[in-house]
Amino acid sequence: TQLLEQSPQFLSIQEGENLTVYCNSSSVFSSLQWYRQEPGEGPVLLVTVVTGGEVKKLKRLTFQFGDARKDSSLHITAAQPGDTGLYLCAGDDYKLSFGAGTTVTVRA
Amino acid sequence: DVKVTQSSRYLVKRTGEKVFLECVQDMDHENMFWYRQDPGLGLRLIYFSYDVKMKEKGDIPEGYSVSREKKERFSLILESASTNQTSMYLCASRETGYSNQPQHFGDGTRLSIL
Repeated sequence: TQLLEQSPQFLSIQEGENLTVYCNSSSVFSSLQWYRQEPGEGPVLLVTVVTGGEVKKLKRLTFQFGDARKDSSLHITAAQPGDTGLYLCAGDDYKLSFGAGTTVTVRA
Repeated sequence: DVKVTQSSRYLVKRTGEKVFLECVQDMDHENMFWYRQDPGLGLRLIYFSYDVKMKEKGDIPEGYSVSREKKERFSLILESASTNQTSMYLCASRETGYSNQPQHFGDGTRLSIL
């Protein structure tokens, strides 16, 4: 059973559109991390959110951590083909518990 | 930059063989992890180690063992490989056990058991 549920599982959009990926859990984590994985490579950390209600921005990517520290979202503005990849959220309680991932495809 | 190196990108083995997957990190990290990644299931933790000769079971340790004789090296062992162990295996390291630190991943070993 997955501790973290990610939705949607797949997302295919046109270049320039916006998208949001959701990560929900029944457990509270001390922090939550978002990773992006490209084909043939290992996941790479994008951001860590720690405080309930926190919002972090990384260029066109906006990450939110829910007030209760159980859910998070990733919003991409004006998506580009370079944003294509598998996006993974992971709850941190000394060891990471990963969601199943959202595969994002941005068409040129 | 942290570098986590996995010994093989692709590996094909036969049912019943003993299989060794090797992982080396170059940043003196205390923690090391082995995951398997399957479509629709994300990354699942097999074993992790927080120090030399120390290990803890993750969520799916059955059929696997690990060895950490030196700080920089963490080995995953499939004692008697089975077809349901065909998967992508990812190794990761983290500086310490404190939360909020990133895990650094290798590029994975795609293992096929025939």
